[in-house]
Amino acid sequence: AQKVTQAQTEISVVEKEDVTLDCVYETRDTTYYLFWYKQPPSGELVFLIRRNSFDEQNEISGRYSWNFQKSTSSFNFTITASQVVDSAVYFCALSEEGNYGQNFVFGPGTRLSVLP
Amino acid sequence: DVKVTQSSRYLVKRTGEKVFLECVQDMDHENMFWYRQDPGLGLRLIYFSYDVKMKEKGDIPEGYSVSREKKERFSLILESASTNQTSMYLCASSAELAKNIQYFGAGTRLSVL
Repeated sequence: AQKVTQAQTEISVVEKEDVTLDCVYETRDTTYYLFWYKQPPSGELVFLIRRNSFDEQNEISGRYSWNFQKSTSSFNFTITASQVVDSAVYFCALSEEGNYGQNFVFGPGTRLSVLP
Repeated sequence: DVKVTQSSRYLVKRTGEKVFLECVQDMDHENMFWYRQDPGLGLRLIYFSYDVKMKEKGDIPEGYSVSREKKERFSLILESASTNQTSMYLCASSAELAKNIQYFGAGTRLSVL
């Protein structure tokens, strides 16, 4: 069965620090997709990134970067020079191409607090 | 921009009441989803629908039913609300299963007293 683990329940950093959110997944499919979502205090989940299992290139978008490593089944998310507006709950999610019945599986989330 | 609208941000109901949570999307998406979110558990799938009048059970369908009479609207029904259904409910839609991004509504925080 597919599974997503986010071992860090809560993280607190001071503004301008770098922070990495860990995500480890389990799947038996060869074709799958990994996602990160941000849930600010307003409640709405905001899509950040999607990666498919055949694309192991790391990605950078402004202060955000993602490190996908199939060898360790990890898809970690780094925020560089964190800001107070980055405070949110971050969810990692996995979706398997062949698993029609169970679509997205979300991790439990990591609550990030960025202190001024 | 994709817009997923949930009819209520907050609801307070009494045990035994029938509760309807409504969700509307404006992007002509085939697929719609209902999740509940509880602290430490992340999001858990209740039901999803891949077409009008079609539905599939998710991880935790017990105590819930759904209705999709029109493509843009997906309703979650609690036939007889119980206190353990107090939670945040999130609706989402996507163009295609598995690989497509799911777009979420703002959520409905339901309290059952």
